Amino acid sequence: QKEVEQDPGPLSVPEGAIVSLNCTYSNSAFQYFMWYRQYSRKGPELLMYTYSSGNKEDGRFTAQVDKSSKYISLFIRDSQPSDSATYLCAMTPNTNAGKSTFGDGTTLTVKP
Amino acid sequence: DGGITQSPKYLFRKEGQNVTLSCEQNLNHDAMYWYRQDPGQGLRLIYYSQIVNDFQKGDIAEGYSVSREKKESFPLTVTSAQKNPTAFYLCASSAGIYEAFFGQGTRLTVV
Repeated sequence: QKEVEQDPGPLSVPEGAIVSLNCTYSNSAFQYFMWYRQYSRKGPELLMYTYSSGNKEDGRFTAQVDKSSKYISLFIRDSQPSDSATYLCAMTPNTNAGKSTFGDGTTLTVKP
Repeated sequence: DGGITQSPKYLFRKEGQNVTLSCEQNLNHDAMYWYRQDPGQGLRLIYYSQIVNDFQKGDIAEGYSVSREKKESFPLTVTSAQKNPTAFYLCASSAGIYEAFFGQGTRLTVV
């Protein structure tokens, strides 16, 4: 069983919809939780990160971490066609960022 | 502009050949990483280096080799021992905080 499981998708929504992307994990040592966005044939870029449990909001994006359930989510409000990409969750027990454990990614398409 | 540069963008390898993928960073980061990404899959760690002249195997190091002679450079060689090398290869660096910076990737295809 993988340490990090991500909802596989693909996900297709109309413009303006609220999107929920989710990951579960098994390693209770994970402390840092990241969401990366990857456009087709490009490298991932960090979208948001959260330390330990709680919520974090940045514009239309909200990251949630529930350590008791080992569950993290990324919400996108008022989704736009430019949000169409693959979203990867990642997590690490310490600050060794590049040695994170990644989910398999969820591909999102926002239709105009 | 600071960042990570990977080259080439596309690379074709014949059976039995070794090929080297370049990764250069000007972010002054100590740590650098190589990942492999297959379609529909996440990133799998091949090798990482936290300091010059030192590197560690990741989860799928077999058939790959690296060097770290300079802080800015972390080339990856895909050897003939790697039986299924067709994939998208990503180089990343970090300053030891939560964020990893990624290059734009090299797509390697066996012909």
